[in-house]
Amino acid sequence: EPEVTQTPSHQVTQMGQEVILRCVPISNHLYFYWYRQILGQKVEFLVSFYNNEISEKSEIFDDQFSVERPDGSNFTLKIRSTKLEDSAMYFCASSEGRQGTTEAFFGQGTRLTVV
Amino acid sequence: DQQVKQNSPSLSVQEGRISILNCDYTNSMFDYFLWYKKYPAEGPTFLISISSIKDKNEDGRFTVFLNKSAKHLSLHIVPSQPGDSAVYFCAASSSFAGGTSYGKLTFGQGTILTVHP
Repeated sequence: EPEVTQTPSHQVTQMGQEVILRCVPISNHLYFYWYRQILGQKVEFLVSFYNNEISEKSEIFDDQFSVERPDGSNFTLKIRSTKLEDSAMYFCASSEGRQGTTEAFFGQGTRLTVV
Repeated sequence: DQQVKQNSPSLSVQEGRISILNCDYTNSMFDYFLWYKKYPAEGPTFLISISSIKDKNEDGRFTVFLNKSAKHLSLHIVPSQPGDSAVYFCAASSSFAGGTSYGKLTFGQGTILTVHP
């Protein structure tokens, strides 16, 4: 069964460093997303991406964050200068159609620890 | 942001009995609702969804009910099995938000379901 895959599963980084989280969405999906879950809190929307551009972003997704689809398969989330409060599980998701019509499938997550 | 609320942080059920998980929402623009199941150290796994044009959707042991007037949905699992023990998230989205809302799911806080053998 097709699945969304994320690498690495765990990333430890020093505060102020740049990190890139990688995702391979399901191949025929057209919509891509990043969510995060801080320990003990809700899963929160960060950004959605369609047709090679951001279609929506939350207030969390500030100038420190960026997304890219560098080739036909990968979808990345970059945090330029990590802060302690960026420590969270980051989930990539993809869907075949626009939300409201189809479900999103999630990867297993990357646990980011900023020290 | 409390647009989607799951007021029960946990639920404990005996194997073979019914599990009922509840979810309330406040945003009238939500028109598509989903339930996800999550095990520790894994991503959310899609279970079942319902569009606002329906009031019930069934898939095997899982049934979702939607009461639009009460802005309430529930997930019924019958019969419950120990393997169902996980965190269950309710999520909602809108197809209306300016026509550009490609995928903003708003999640509830989750309910930890424990099914005892």
